Amino acid sequence: NAGVTQTPKFQVLKTGQSMTLQCAQDMNHEYMSWYRQDPGMGLRLIHYSVGAGITDQGEVPNGYNVSRSTTEDFPLRLLSAAPSQTSVYFCASSYDRTSTTGELFFGEGSRLTVL
Amino acid sequence: AQSVTQPDIHITVSEGASLELRCNYSYGATPYLFWYVQSPGQGLQLLLKYFSGDTLVQGIKGFEAEFKRSQSSFNLRKPSVHWSDAAEYFCAVGRYGGSQGNLIFGKGTKLSVKP
Repeated sequence: NAGVTQTPKFQVLKTGQSMTLQCAQDMNHEYMSWYRQDPGMGLRLIHYSVGAGITDQGEVPNGYNVSRSTTEDFPLRLLSAAPSQTSVYFCASSYDRTSTTGELFFGEGSRLTVL
Repeated sequence: AQSVTQPDIHITVSEGASLELRCNYSYGATPYLFWYVQSPGQGLQLLLKYFSGDTLVQGIKGFEAEFKRSQSSFNLRKPSVHWSDAAEYFCAVGRYGGSQGNLIFGKGTKLSVKP
């Protein structure tokens, strides 16, 4: 059972480049989300989805896009990378559609550096 | 607005000593509370959660936490720390808003363990 799989684990971009962080889960979870983790800031929610075709913004959505065409996949797109987007990104899923009461299952993270 | 505060950024304890990590939350009703642990280079893993009932909850790896409504606290404890407990610990509260909720994380407490 793979759980939540994120790719790539490491990425270096130049300012203005675009890229997609991939996230896939094999637990048939309805809820999926993206967080970014920065030193001293904890985890901040970027976008989340409560099912295929449904997405919504979290605390820090600017500069990021998401889509949810299938239950399994929830890619995060950086349209024009900026140094402020240098961070570690975590994808997480939950069997609880609200995620409020259910356990969040995390991927191992994707470390992104924008030069 | 709901929030989670972890007052201690970094704590160092000796192996075999007891541990208490503090967490305070702000929320009007009975919250859903969680503790997650993040080992270096890894994603977060759920240690324990509190929804209702007995205010002392047991988790994995010998951890426990006590919910105190009067103090708006949910402190994490372990009677005897092992070197493998060195990690970062995050307290989280279930957030309610609109039709879906998600988790608010504290900024984390990094635990170092001295031999």
